[in-house]
Amino acid sequence: QVQLVESGGGVVRPGRSLRLSCVGSGFNFRSYAVHWVRQAPGKGLEWVAVISYDETNKDYADSVKGRFSISRDNSKNTLYLQMNSLRADDTAMYFCARGIYGDPPLSWGQGTLVTVSS
Amino acid sequence: QSVLTQPPSVSAAAGQKVTISCSGSSSNIGSNFVFWYQQFPGTAPKLLIHDNNKRPSGIPDRFSGSKSGTSATLGITGLQTGDEADYYCGTWDPNPSAHVVFGGGTKLTVL
Repeated sequence: QVQLVESGGGVVRPGRSLRLSCVGSGFNFRSYAVHWVRQAPGKGLEWVAVISYDETNKDYADSVKGRFSISRDNSKNTLYLQMNSLRADDTAMYFCARGIYGDPPLSWGQGTLVTVSS
Repeated sequence: QSVLTQPPSVSAAAGQKVTISCSGSSSNIGSNFVFWYQQFPGTAPKLLIHDNNKRPSGIPDRFSGSKSGTSATLGITGLQTGDEADYYCGTWDPNPSAHVVFGGGTKLTVL
């Protein structure tokens, strides 16, 4: 079955960096766009970024543009999110989710928690 | 402040029907497919409806979706206590740059 497993979350101080990973299985990873979506504690869903299946398109939310970078390695069925200059308001559960570029996500991973705190 | 507008909460009795609205604009809902998600506390969102009104396999036909103009609606019939969850709408918006937008979420309470 389709599985997406995120890792790399943790506690980090403001201004520092963190890299999240997401491994896909049970589907043809290289045929799908993949998103990052986050959810702050007690809040709603906030879309972060998407990368098309062939890396031609990379799009970001204004709140992370210039600080976060999305990438993928199709040979490893893996999605990445490099997060730099982290701020307290980046604290959230980060979900990866596969989909078709130009549409919202279809299926989601279970998430990895990022806490930015001094 | 979310780009798509949903009521913060709705409630209905078990066995009854409820609808959840999602309002947007011509650049998002008006021009693109609407998706609906169900989320229980502490878990990942789950796709309920895609392409405005299509249910993935395994989603009961008690769940339905519709779209008209710049608004969309999720309908749930035969409400069960197990339907108590948060529900989110989402769609694509190419303006001013390509991105996904979500509603703020609606908490469903089954009385």
